Amino acid sequence: NAGVTQTPKFQVLKTGQSMTLQCAQDMNHNSMYWYRQDPGMGLRLIYYSASEGTTDKGEVPNGYNVSRLNKREFSLRLESAAPSQTSVYFCASSSEGGYTFGSGTRLTVV
Amino acid sequence: AQSVSQHNHHVILSEAASLELGCNYSYGGTVNLFWYVQYPGQHLQLLLKYFSGDPLVKGIKGFEAEFIKSKFSFNLRKPSVQWSDTAEYFCAVNIRGNTPLVFGKGTRLSVIA
Repeated sequence: NAGVTQTPKFQVLKTGQSMTLQCAQDMNHNSMYWYRQDPGMGLRLIYYSASEGTTDKGEVPNGYNVSRLNKREFSLRLESAAPSQTSVYFCASSSEGGYTFGSGTRLTVV
Repeated sequence: AQSVSQHNHHVILSEAASLELGCNYSYGGTVNLFWYVQYPGQHLQLLLKYFSGDPLVKGIKGFEAEFIKSKFSFNLRKPSVQWSDTAEYFCAVNIRGNTPLVFGKGTRLSVIA
């Protein structure tokens, strides 16, 4: 009964490096989301996927790409990391009954 | 597009004081409303949610919230706070059950002895 699992939990990148944040859910939810959390800004939606095979931009999509690999997995890719992408990233999934959040990935870009 | 306003950025209360955190949203249609709590270093936990029915919603840890449609508000309350309630609180809204949540910027609550 893992819920939403995110990896890694912590990551330090150099400017210009690329990386992929992984997210998997085991609740058979159709919808999945990526948010970033910055101090004083709340959580802002980066991308979401309403169902397998579909993705849509959220409020702050620039500099990111996503892949909905299958119903369980939704990954977030930073092609060329920038210091402005230093943040805590949360993955979530949802059904009609509510949302489940992962424990977050703290990313620092130096 | 929907938006959520949380009026208090940082609230400091003494233990046993009463709490009310404001939340207003902008959207003219039917919404679902949520309050989440984030303890230091942890992820979001659901305190309570409102989909329909009784506008006074009771959640976990003694929290409750009241939906006032005419005021587009969903304020969070607790009669008597404890030191362990120190956390950040987020109000969120969506327009139907399976769409992205839109979050407010959060209110940091510090409870002092």
